[in-house]
Amino acid sequence: SQTIHQWPATLVQPVGSPLSLECTVEGTSNPNLYWYRQAAGRGLQLLFYSVGIGQISSEVPQNLSASRPQDRQFILSSKKLLLSDSGFYLCAWSYGGNYGYTFGSGTRLTVV
Amino acid sequence: KNQVEQSPQSLIILEGKNCTLQCNYTVSPFSNLRWYKQDTGRGPVSLTIMTFSENTKSNGRYTATLDADTKQSSLHITASQLSDSASYICVVSFISNFGNEKLTFGTGTRLTIIP
Repeated sequence: SQTIHQWPATLVQPVGSPLSLECTVEGTSNPNLYWYRQAAGRGLQLLFYSVGIGQISSEVPQNLSASRPQDRQFILSSKKLLLSDSGFYLCAWSYGGNYGYTFGSGTRLTVV
Repeated sequence: KNQVEQSPQSLIILEGKNCTLQCNYTVSPFSNLRWYKQDTGRGPVSLTIMTFSENTKSNGRYTATLDADTKQSSLHITASQLSDSASYICVVSFISNFGNEKLTFGTGTRLTIIP
């Protein structure tokens, strides 16, 4: 069966520090991978998606970047965090179409 | 503009009672509609997914309906349990001009079940 792992669960980082959130998927190959951010009281916002190794599409301009070094690994990064980067970050995978999306357990990032 | 609106924003009901959550959307062209349950501090978990041709789908005590003509969906929860306390998110997808699927998320309904 397919599983998705996301870590860390919580993170407190000072402004200006770097960020690296990791997401891995098991039990599947060539999935579509996604990074979402959920701000308090807001719907999930798509940040990045990837349809294959090294293929990254950015949905919104921001202080973050994403990379997919391996088929089942998706990394969300920042060189210098801003206060506005605080939020709940979710990784997800899907085969697209009417196939379901499976979300990771999320990372609560607080930038102080 | 593609939008998904959910109502009510929050709902409190007694354990054992039924409730219905609403979702209206303006997403076009429509591909499918999903309902997710999200516990606090956790990722969303899929409950149902419906395509254009489906107007009802059940998953245990959860029953989702879809009226593609009026662009409305509902999620009915029967005989609520304390574990049903969560946010319920309506998600509507469409196929972009580039051929990839895009999801539009509602802001969710926060459901609290009290004993």
